[in-house]
Amino acid sequence: DAGVTQSPTHLIKTRGQHVTLRCSPISGHKSVSWYQQVLGQGPQFIFQYYEKEERGRGNFPDRFSARQFPNYSSELNVNALLLGDSALYLCASSLVGDRVSYEQYFGPGTRLTVT
Amino acid sequence: AQKITQTQPGMFVQEKEAVTLDCTYDTSDPSYGLFWYKQPSSGEMIFLIYQGSYDQQNATEGRYSLNFQKARKSANLVISASQLGDSAMYFCAMREGDGNDMRFGAGTRLTVKP
Repeated sequence: DAGVTQSPTHLIKTRGQHVTLRCSPISGHKSVSWYQQVLGQGPQFIFQYYEKEERGRGNFPDRFSARQFPNYSSELNVNALLLGDSALYLCASSLVGDRVSYEQYFGPGTRLTVT
Repeated sequence: AQKITQTQPGMFVQEKEAVTLDCTYDTSDPSYGLFWYKQPSSGEMIFLIYQGSYDQQNATEGRYSLNFQKARKSANLVISASQLGDSAMYFCAMREGDGNDMRFGAGTRLTVKP
């Protein structure tokens, strides 16, 4: 069975540009979460989508947005890129997204570099 | 406020020995879940073990066990019989109440020596 997939693997962008990151969850999983992991730190929660609705949002500016499609795949969009947006962006999927105990499966991440 | 604290930036352990990675947490929610993840240099987060706040017994998964001390708000990971492949970053994480987000600690880099 395929795990969580993310594209692209690596990305280099210039300040002020826009970027779209994509995530395909494990088949049957209805919840997708996005995390930002800056080098040397733990992941920081950005968004959670469950059954195509936004269920949670972390402390990130409005430049960050996301959506979940009918097939449960998801996109993370970041506008007006800043140098500080350089990070590994992780996507995680799970069967459910409405209780404390569900296990998340992470994808390999997208490494974004902003120059 | 920091919800998850991992005070050991780096740890060394001899192959085949046991090692304990520390994690303390802060929450006022009676319902929460605690997780440990391993992150090799490849970057992918690998789930290791889960402990629920209402679980009466400490969780175990193969060579991994979680030393859950609720009153002290600690959830230390114990790895028994360390292997060279255990060298990686280890993150403690917590999910509270409504389950919408997961908070991670800063991580501990474990190095297993041959």
